[in-house]
Amino acid sequence: GNSVTQMEGPVTLSEEAFLTINCTYTATGYPSLFWYVQYPGEGLQLLLKATKADDKGSNKGFEATYRKETTSFHLEKGSVQVSDSAVYFCALSNTGNQFYFGTGTSLTVIP
Amino acid sequence: SAVISQKPSRDICQRGTSLTIQCQVDSQVTMMFWYRQQPGQSLTLIATANQGSEATYESGFVIDKFPISRPNLTFSTLTVSNMSPEDSSIYLCSVQEVSGTQYFGPGTRLLVL
Repeated sequence: GNSVTQMEGPVTLSEEAFLTINCTYTATGYPSLFWYVQYPGEGLQLLLKATKADDKGSNKGFEATYRKETTSFHLEKGSVQVSDSAVYFCALSNTGNQFYFGTGTSLTVIP
Repeated sequence: SAVISQKPSRDICQRGTSLTIQCQVDSQVTMMFWYRQQPGQSLTLIATANQGSEATYESGFVIDKFPISRPNLTFSTLTVSNMSPEDSSIYLCSVQEVSGTQYFGPGTRLLVL
């Protein structure tokens, strides 16, 4: 079946620290992979996506590379800011339009 | 990407009552979905809202509890019926574009007392 396993939180980092949030997936075929971000009191916003193996999605300084050999899509940012404090969700989409979400990782960045 | 709005943005309701949540999209979309996000949890798909026909519900969700309407390609409603405190959640609508990406509305935060 299809599933997403996401790094447990919460994560607390100092401003300008390096961020990695791990995400691995199980899927049949060739899924598309996504990272969504949910700021406090808001809905989910698409952060980045990748649709095939070795694709790198990037946005707002965040990056993630679709690694088929390790079934991973880890989210990274070189220097986090206080404004990056949010909950991050990894997700996959496979045939049939169904989306599968990870449990979410809460990030707090302190000045 | 589509711009999605939801009304109300939040509400506090008494148990036993019902609340209807509206979702409006600024463009015509085929695929529209309703999710529930319980406090501190991930998203759970409630149903796919089908234009002109009955919604397709996921396991654990039934039409009597969560009736959905989809009168056209830009609008849908979700009703939470006979509410109990366990229904306190964020309810999110989303649309899926041809690219396969889903975009979400801002959510409706419901507290049932």
